[in-house]
Amino acid sequence: AQSVTQPDIHITVSEGASLELRCNYSYGATPYLFWYVQSPGQGLQLLLKYFSGDTLVQGIKGFEAEFKRSQSSFNLRKPSVHWSDAAEYFCAVGPLTGANNLFFGTGTRLTVIP
Amino acid sequence: ETGVTQTPRHLVMGMTNKKSLKCEQHLGHNAMYWYKQSAKKPLELMFVYSLEERVENNSVPSRFSPECPNSSHLFLHLHTLQPEDSALYLCASSRGIGLDEQFFGPGTRLTVL
Repeated sequence: AQSVTQPDIHITVSEGASLELRCNYSYGATPYLFWYVQSPGQGLQLLLKYFSGDTLVQGIKGFEAEFKRSQSSFNLRKPSVHWSDAAEYFCAVGPLTGANNLFFGTGTRLTVIP
Repeated sequence: ETGVTQTPRHLVMGMTNKKSLKCEQHLGHNAMYWYKQSAKKPLELMFVYSLEERVENNSVPSRFSPECPNSSHLFLHLHTLQPEDSALYLCASSRGIGLDEQFFGPGTRLTVL
């Protein structure tokens, strides 16, 4: 069965510090992987996606993620966090073909302290 | 601004009321989606429409009734809801179904009393 696990419910980092948000997936085929961000009162915005090629993908707002097939992981990173990065982050996995049925994790809430 | 708007942004209704949520996309997309976002639970896909035809219905109770009159508009009609239906309801659209990025609206925060 398809599933996405985000083991960290809440993370607090200092502004300027590095960030890594974890995502592990279970999927029966080659996955299509996403990271979305949701600011308070807003819908989800796509940060980056991976479906083939270079396993290190660059996204918007200075984020990157690395796909590691052996670990079934797709962790999100940012070298230096800004206060505006405080939000909820969702990892999702979907099929390469067929209906766009994405499976989302439960999210990680990021707090940034000065 | 993602090009997907939802109204109302907040809705409080009793269990015997009938209400509708509206979603409109200004992106020229052909696919639209309804998701339910509850606290501490993964985002749940409810319905998918492609070119106004429903292509996915993930075992959603019949008290939720979607309608897609054209590729720009999507409605979710609500009747005799339960308190556990209180959640954030998100609409999204994409160019097509498959690999295309989904663009989300800001959601409707629904409270059922």
